[in-house]
Amino acid sequence: SAVISQKPSRDICQRGTSLTIQCQVDSQVTMMFWYRQQPGQSLTLIATANQGSEATYESGFVIDKFPISRPNLTFSTLTVSNMSPEDSSIYLCSVGSVNGYTFGSGTRLTVV
Amino acid sequence: GENVEQHPSTLSVQEGDSAVIKCTYSDSASNYFPWYKQELGKRPQLIIDIRSNVGEKKDQRIAVTLNKTAKHFSLHITETQPEDSAVYFCAASINFGNEKLTFGTGTRLTIIP
Repeated sequence: SAVISQKPSRDICQRGTSLTIQCQVDSQVTMMFWYRQQPGQSLTLIATANQGSEATYESGFVIDKFPISRPNLTFSTLTVSNMSPEDSSIYLCSVGSVNGYTFGSGTRLTVV
Repeated sequence: GENVEQHPSTLSVQEGDSAVIKCTYSDSASNYFPWYKQELGKRPQLIIDIRSNVGEKKDQRIAVTLNKTAKHFSLHITETQPEDSAVYFCAASINFGNEKLTFGTGTRLTIIP
């Protein structure tokens, strides 16, 4: 299975600022996914990121708030823009391949 | 789109007893159904999965059953141990590895020593 390196592991940010989360995969994968996990809740898909095309966002999530880049088959970033305390959450990237799904270790974001 | 419901939301069982968690899904095109265990502060870990061409799969103390007609699947843990305490999530996908996973709401399982 693919191994994902996700950074940062945690951050505390001021409201109104932006944070970019990075995921690096040790092999080329087609499908990358970004999830949000609010405290005590399940994983909610933010968007699907395919290399070379615009990310596909789920209902309730918009590109202006969560811009995503996918410059190649091993890397993606998610930016949380203009943050508010409601954005405090864990953000996880995931990849899908013929071997199944793998998750990054997550980024614990606290907005103050 | 797919909707996955999971219950119960919390479950406490005596050590050594069995635990059963159930999920239903809405999209009949879903054909891949994994179960994840998530310990506090850690990423979800796949514990077992099943595809729609089989009705049951077992791995030691863990088993998953699938009823395609009723669109529900269940996780069975036998001879529970304290280390089984965690949050468990079911999920569904219409295309293994190539499409998103839709997650259930989670079950917090507590094993009572």
